[in-house]
Amino acid sequence: GENVEQHPSTLSVQEGDSAVIKCTYSDSASNYFPWYKQELGKRPQLIIDIRSNVGEKKDQRIAVTLNKTAKHFSLHITETQPEDSAVYFCAASATDSWGKFQFGAGTQVVVTP
Amino acid sequence: ETGVTQSPTHLIKTRGQQVTLRCSSQSGHNTVSWYQQALGQGPQFIFQYYREEENGRGNFPPRFSGLQFPNYSSELNVNALELDDSALYLCASSQGYDDVISYEQYFGPGTRLTVT
Repeated sequence: GENVEQHPSTLSVQEGDSAVIKCTYSDSASNYFPWYKQELGKRPQLIIDIRSNVGEKKDQRIAVTLNKTAKHFSLHITETQPEDSAVYFCAASATDSWGKFQFGAGTQVVVTP
Repeated sequence: ETGVTQSPTHLIKTRGQQVTLRCSSQSGHNTVSWYQQALGQGPQFIFQYYREEENGRGNFPPRFSGLQFPNYSSELNVNALELDDSALYLCASSQGYDDVISYEQYFGPGTRLTVT
């Protein structure tokens, strides 16, 4: 089955700097890669996703890149703000296992003013 | 804010007991997936329901079972509770079609289950 590894487990950045979180996956059939943000005591919220037919997707300060050959994808947050502090999870899913996400272990991002 | 709701918010049970957790999917969504999130870990897929039938299962024992109703709401039942079942249980809804797959899943707020 699919296995998703996520690094780093914790990330401290100064406000205004960039943050990068990396994930690798094992199943070459995976073709959908969402990123979720989970604030303390709240539900995971979908912040961006990418499908295997594109290499990069951007939405304001966040972007995701995908390298299918290397089986890794990354989340980039630019101009970080204190409200970006949260746990971020990557996930992977394949068409034949539609909706059955395999999540990474999460990255605790702390943005200090 | 998404329309996925879950009840109850918190629950305390004793080892060996049974528990039922409930989830109402977002309006228009016919698919519900359940996840277990232990403290400090990512969500682990339990199973998924699509059109009232189980549509895939993760690595969880049979004492984890579920139902989906005609209105697409869902229940997660856990029998013979163990201490390790203490976790946040999340449901997520999405829209599935016969020929079009919608990947996006939206999570509910979760039910925090504590087994003592």
